[in-house]
Amino acid sequence: GESVGLHLPTLSVQEGDNSIINCAYSNSASDYFIWYKQESGKGPQFIIDIRSNMDKRQGQRVTVLLNKTVKHLSLQIAATQPGDSAVYFCAENTGANSKLTFGKGITLSVRP
Amino acid sequence: DAGVIQSPRHEVTEMGQEVTLRCKPISGHNSLFWYRQTMMRGLELLIYFNNNVPIDDSGMPEDRFSAKMPNASFSTLKIQPSEPRDSAVYFCATNSRGRRETQYFGPGTRLLVL
Repeated sequence: GESVGLHLPTLSVQEGDNSIINCAYSNSASDYFIWYKQESGKGPQFIIDIRSNMDKRQGQRVTVLLNKTVKHLSLQIAATQPGDSAVYFCAENTGANSKLTFGKGITLSVRP
Repeated sequence: DAGVIQSPRHEVTEMGQEVTLRCKPISGHNSLFWYRQTMMRGLELLIYFNNNVPIDDSGMPEDRFSAKMPNASFSTLKIQPSEPRDSAVYFCATNSRGRRETQYFGPGTRLLVL
């Protein structure tokens, strides 16, 4: 089986509170960013994306913020629900091809 | 739309055996990606195809791994011979020409090599 590996950082929030998940990226040439949600036993699921010509984009209960100056991306989830418990990944694309580079992931745990 | 379909969902095999993982992309999607996910290394891109042609296989760990896409609706990832360190979850993802960066993932194949 798999050997013991790195533990993902965990964010624990109370149900109903807002969550903020952060991601730092390293490639200043990246021009497209995506947040994925991965629930246990499932594949990553697309949540929201943003292009580098924007600094904010809103979806249903989610907002993505992009700060290109410090190469920082965040995902805000309003009124966090138990169903939001999952691992969240940020991913970036440089536009040169279709490849995405994924971050390590952050575990969001919602307390009832 | 059924989404990306992968089979089998779970595979347990013994070291040295051949393993074949299968993927059916979303209809109309022209790029296909194979990833491996482990706790140690996270999500790693193994190989991707564009219009059935392999574009980048730099993530394939070694010659024991091979991937094919004989047509637009089917791809395989083969490991021969398999080793315990190949144990991981293998994902297939696809995207469309219109949204070339947004990849949609299948449910994955959980592989355990004993």
